[in-house]
Amino acid sequence: AQRVTQPEKLLSVFKGAPVELKCNYSYSGSPELFWYVQYSRQRLQLLLRHISRESIKGFTADLNKGETSFHLKKPFAQEEDSAMYYCALRPAGTALIFGKGTTLSVSS
Amino acid sequence: DTGVSQDPRHKITKRGQNVTFRCDPISEHNRLYWYRQTLGQGPEFLTYFQNEAQLEKSRLLSDRFSAERPKGSFSTLEIQRTEQGDSAMYLCASSLIQGAVSWEKLFFGSGTQLSVL
Repeated sequence: AQRVTQPEKLLSVFKGAPVELKCNYSYSGSPELFWYVQYSRQRLQLLLRHISRESIKGFTADLNKGETSFHLKKPFAQEEDSAMYYCALRPAGTALIFGKGTTLSVSS
Repeated sequence: DTGVSQDPRHKITKRGQNVTFRCDPISEHNRLYWYRQTLGQGPEFLTYFQNEAQLEKSRLLSDRFSAERPKGSFSTLEIQRTEQGDSAMYLCASSLIQGAVSWEKLFFGSGTQLSVL
């Protein structure tokens, strides 16, 4: 079955601490993976996609096919990073499948 | 505002009534998606269109649900004979596909919150 698992509902860190939001996927084909983010009172929006290997707002994510993971990382968290983060998988020829999301709370 | 707009923002209805939601995508976008989200869950895919063609429907989408996108512009999602289990946030998203879908970026609307009493 095609599935995205985000094991943590809530991740609380202090400002300046490293952040790692975990995402594991289940898919037999070649995966396309994304991270979407929803800030308070804003719409869900794309943060980054694995194919572009980009860093957005200091966040990076590396696809690890051996561990079927696509963890989101940032070396130094900022208070404005507080949001709900969703990992998403696109199986070939179909729509995005989202995980349940992880709330990141960054406090000073 | 040139983003995805959804109407209404909130809908309260009684069990058994029919409801219809509207989504206006970003004007040049050729794909339009409907998702449903309940508390504590991520968005769940319902259906999507490429231009006016409905290309995929989720098994979640019972016969009581129907979606249209006439002329490949706005879309409507209708739920007939609503049930309490239909209470959720209904999200619309649009995108412009040019070439490989790997680069697809979905733009979401603010959603329609449905409460079935």
